[in-house]
Amino acid sequence: GAGVSQSPSNKVTEKGKDVELRCDPISGHTALYWYRQSLGQGLEFLIYFQGNSAPDKSGLPSDRFSAERTGGSVSTLTIQRTQQEDSAVYLCASSAYGRDWSTRYTDTQYFGPGTRLTVL
Amino acid sequence: GQQLNQSPQSMFIQEGEDVSMNCTSSSIFNTWLWYKQDPGEGPVLLIALYKAGELTSNGRLTAQFGITRKDSFLNISASIPSDVGIYFCAGLSSGSARQLTFGSGTQLTVLP
Repeated sequence: GAGVSQSPSNKVTEKGKDVELRCDPISGHTALYWYRQSLGQGLEFLIYFQGNSAPDKSGLPSDRFSAERTGGSVSTLTIQRTQQEDSAVYLCASSAYGRDWSTRYTDTQYFGPGTRLTVL
Repeated sequence: GQQLNQSPQSMFIQEGEDVSMNCTSSSIFNTWLWYKQDPGEGPVLLIALYKAGELTSNGRLTAQFGITRKDSFLNISASIPSDVGIYFCAGLSSGSARQLTFGSGTQLTVLP
């Protein structure tokens, strides 16, 4: 597609349940990023993928959070045993970083519309 | 970790006025990006800056990459009602770390 897409747009779940959030990056973008935005806050980095591997998982807040990427395209962020503090907007971004090393334009990250997660 | 200080936190201006916001960092960035976020939406890229001292315009928006690589500003001229939203600066440092560091945002309100 033309832009980054995410699904679902909204997710309401009960505490203790697992959730899966999906991100479909811009076609051809090799790098994919997950961020979290709590109410009225800035964006907090979670994880970065280059192709199917994740060289930087430093932002994942606990071992309940995991992510994978398959085929160098779609990524899934999984939160197990959700807690109320997990409620936030989860944003995915992609960039061309890694596809072309000769230009800094690949630094630019393009965001999807986000998934609003509410844990009751 | 890296910190980005963005100011002001909020602004109320009259339609037609110019507005300026800025970000400063305790460390050097190689790329500065400015985004706008509307309620319920993801951040939309406004301007990207890749070189120290670079001054770039996008319509009524102008942004500069500070010469020290530790700061950037965004100016909006002749504001209109659709400029309302939250503006974020974001920086990308060199090396293997690829995540953006975001400022806390500037909430802009344009009064008719």
